[in-house]
Amino acid sequence: DAGVIQSPRHEVTEMGQEVTLRCKPISGHDYLFWYRQTMMRGLELLIYFNNNVPIDDSGMPEDRFSAKMPNASFSTLKIQPSEPRDSAVYFCASSLRGGLHFGPGTRLTVL
Amino acid sequence: AQSVSQHNHHVILSEAASLELGCNYSYGGTVNLFWYVQYPGQHLQLLLKYFSGDPLVKGIKGFEAEFIKSKFSFNLRKPSVQWSDTAEYFCAVSDSNYQLIWGAGTKLIIKP
Repeated sequence: DAGVIQSPRHEVTEMGQEVTLRCKPISGHDYLFWYRQTMMRGLELLIYFNNNVPIDDSGMPEDRFSAKMPNASFSTLKIQPSEPRDSAVYFCASSLRGGLHFGPGTRLTVL
Repeated sequence: AQSVSQHNHHVILSEAASLELGCNYSYGGTVNLFWYVQYPGQHLQLLLKYFSGDPLVKGIKGFEAEFIKSKFSFNLRKPSVQWSDTAEYFCAVSDSNYQLIWGAGTKLIIKP
């Protein structure tokens, strides 16, 4: 298996622009998680899905953040409008019965 | 509320030294326990996990961890570290919902 796939790997954008991060989980995994990692706040869970349904989005910082999972093989995390404080590494992870498998992450820089 | 505590934020060791990173959790029910490693500039990788059975769990790269239920602990050990073990190590706990509660991480630096 190719593992969890994320794109893009790096994104540099200007404040106010829309950013869309993409994730393809490992085939057969029924849980999908979006995390954000920064030096200041460490690893934060933003939202997670079970069988494509959002279960807990309490970690989503603001209404500017939204996530979708239209099918079992694809999820997006969208930030609109983006702000400099959104700069971070965003990880997607998938799981089947516990034990997360992380993707390589998207390093987002908002100027 | 569930929580995970990693005792040391930074650990510095010389090569060939023995390693033990502490992890304690607070949760009264059945838990699954994990250690993840994040090498510089990379994503988190699963080092080892405990679901049930033998409380001494062996993982990749010579790491092992022991689940001591009475102490709510899941300490990570390695008898002889290498320079390539320089990384950040995260302990995590999940209940039956598979949502992980993360420790703050321990940055390990191995001096060559």
